[in-house]
Amino acid sequence: DGGITQSPKYLFRKEGQNVTLSCEQNLNHDAMYWYRQDPGQGLRLIYYSQIVNDFQKGDIAEGYSVSREKKESFPLTVTSAQKNPTAFYLCASREGATDTQYFGPGTRLTVL
Amino acid sequence: AQKVTQAQTEISVVEKEDVTLDCVYETRDTTYYLFWYKQPPSGELVFLIRRNSFDEQNEISGRYSWNFQKSTSSFNFTITASQVVDSAVYFCALSEAWLGGNKLVFGAGTILRVKS
Repeated sequence: DGGITQSPKYLFRKEGQNVTLSCEQNLNHDAMYWYRQDPGQGLRLIYYSQIVNDFQKGDIAEGYSVSREKKESFPLTVTSAQKNPTAFYLCASREGATDTQYFGPGTRLTVL
Repeated sequence: AQKVTQAQTEISVVEKEDVTLDCVYETRDTTYYLFWYKQPPSGELVFLIRRNSFDEQNEISGRYSWNFQKSTSSFNFTITASQVVDSAVYFCALSEAWLGGNKLVFGAGTILRVKS
C-alpha cells in the first residue's frame, strides 16, 4: 500500500528534551512538508523540502529542525527552544503532477 | 498575502439534512488551486477535491458537491443527505506558489456535527 506513515502516534516529552518525529512516504513524491495544528485552528507550515538535501523554513520554524537525507524520509526534531510544543503534527507529501498534498495520520506531542 | 476564510466555526445538523460549508479566499495569483480536506476524529487529513482556478464547473461526487465561483472568490462544499459518518472538521485550502513549489494556506476549519 502506498502512503505516508508517521510515528509515534502519541509522544510525551519532558521540558528541556529534544524529540524527533518520524515521517516516511513510499509515494515517490519529491516534496514533503511538516505542519502544526493547534486546537480549533488550521494548519501552519513548519518546514518544507522540495528535494533531497534541501529544505526551507515555513511560517513557524523557530524551535524546530529537519533533515532530508533520503527521498522517503523527512524527520522533524522539536528542540527545547520551542516554547510551546504541545500540538498535533502532520506530515505531508506533494504529488507533482497535480500539486495535491497527501497527509499522514499525525503525531500528538504533549509536553509534561 | 493569500488568505482563506471559513466563517462557520461549527455546524450541527440532523441526519439526512443537506449542509453547505462556506469558503472564501483571497489571492492575487491568476493561476491557483483550491482544495477541500476532511479531518475525522482520528486526525488524519483526507483529500476530497482539488479545483483549478480556470475550471469553474461545479463538481459532484456522490453526496458531495462543490460550487466554485471566481466572481465571489468562493469555493463552497455541499453534503446532501448528511450522515453521522460525515461528522468531522472540514478544511478549505488555497495553494500558493512558493520557493519553486507550492504551499497550502488553510482556513481555520468548520466542525460539522451530524446527529442521528
